[in-house]
Amino acid sequence: EDQVTQSPEALRLQEGESSSLNCSYTVSGLRGLFWYRQDPGKGPEFLFTLYSAGEEKEKERLKATLTKKESFLHITAPKPEDSATYLCAVPGGGGKLIFGQGTELSVKP
Amino acid sequence: DGGITQSPKYLFRKEGQNVTLSCEQNLNHDAMYWYRQDPGQGLRLIYYSQIVNDFQKGDIAEGYSVSREKKESFPLTVTSAQKNPTAFYLCASSTWDTSGRETQYFGPGTRLLVL
Repeated sequence: EDQVTQSPEALRLQEGESSSLNCSYTVSGLRGLFWYRQDPGKGPEFLFTLYSAGEEKEKERLKATLTKKESFLHITAPKPEDSATYLCAVPGGGGKLIFGQGTELSVKP
Repeated sequence: DGGITQSPKYLFRKEGQNVTLSCEQNLNHDAMYWYRQDPGQGLRLIYYSQIVNDFQKGDIAEGYSVSREKKESFPLTVTSAQKNPTAFYLCASSTWDTSGRETQYFGPGTRLLVL
């Protein structure tokens, strides 16, 4: 069964304290791994798609990497405005996305 | 502005009542989806449609119905048969690049509460 697991469930950082979020997956035939950011009460905002092991993508303070079993979202020198829940997902059958439960990131000034 | 709109932002349902959530997109995307989000759980797929006049059940379709009469619209009806409808409902649509790679984009969501 296709499955996505994110860790940790919650992460509290001080401003400027770099860290990483993990997304591990089991899927038959990876057709991409997606990262989204979700603010409270809003819809997920698309960040990145990774398609093959070794691929990396960056956006401002965020860098996503992919291996054959997991993806990491590295946050460098985070700011309070980076506080949000970060979701990862992989495509399942029929075009649906299989989501992890998310990592709630809180960055304190 | 191009994007996905959902309305209303908040919706209240009385016992035994059917309610309809609106989802409209002007991105010219063929595929559209409805997800449900509950606290502490990942998003779960309710229904999806890959083309006009066709739709498929997702993982939790019981108590819900949809229609896809127009490419840009994919309304979701929460029927009285859905016993636990309180949740955040998200609509999404997909586009594919020339390599066949899909990206899903989400609307702002509708929060449904039961009175």
